[in-house]
Amino acid sequence: KNQVEQSPQSLIILEGKNCTLQCNYTVSPFSNLRWYKQDTGRGPVSLTIMTFSENTKSNGRYTATLDADTKQSSLHITASQLSDSASYICVVSGMDSNYQLIWGAGTKLIIKP
Amino acid sequence: KAGVTQTPRYLIKTRGQQVTLSCSPISGHRSVSWYQQTPGQGLQFLFEYFSETQRNKGNFPGRFSGRQFSNSRSEMNVSTLELGDSALYLCASSLVPYSNEQFFGPGTRLTVL
Repeated sequence: KNQVEQSPQSLIILEGKNCTLQCNYTVSPFSNLRWYKQDTGRGPVSLTIMTFSENTKSNGRYTATLDADTKQSSLHITASQLSDSASYICVVSGMDSNYQLIWGAGTKLIIKP
Repeated sequence: KAGVTQTPRYLIKTRGQQVTLSCSPISGHRSVSWYQQTPGQGLQFLFEYFSETQRNKGNFPGRFSGRQFSNSRSEMNVSTLELGDSALYLCASSLVPYSNEQFFGPGTRLTVL
């Protein structure tokens, strides 16, 4: 069964600290993986997209990694800011005939001053 | 370029009623997807429309239906509302179907009493 699991479910860190969020998936065959940021009460906004051949991709203070062999991705946030408080969602798309996006449940990140 | 708009933003209904939500995609985008998001749950895919045709459907009961108009605007309807239908309903637009480069609207917060 195609699944996307994210950990931790929630995370609280102090402003200025770094953190890493995890995403494990079982989607096969794999097409690409995208990380979204969702502020409370708003729609998700794309941060990065990674294909099978990409290992690392950065977007400012956000760096995503992908290990297609172990089917794991991580999102690293450097020097966190209060505005980073949000849910971070991993979504994987497959390439089979029953195409659908498989969404993770998200990690809720809270940055404390 | 204007983003995805959804109306209304907030809605309160009682059990047994029906509701219609509206979504206007980004200009030029012809694909519209609908999602349900409940606390602690990942985005649950409802359906996707392209060129006025439903292209993909999630595992929701027949009470959930949708349609798309010739100008790409979309509506979703939920009949015989249940308490469990309380959720944030998100609309996403993309240029083509089956794309995971989706742009989300702010959502409609539906509360069923």
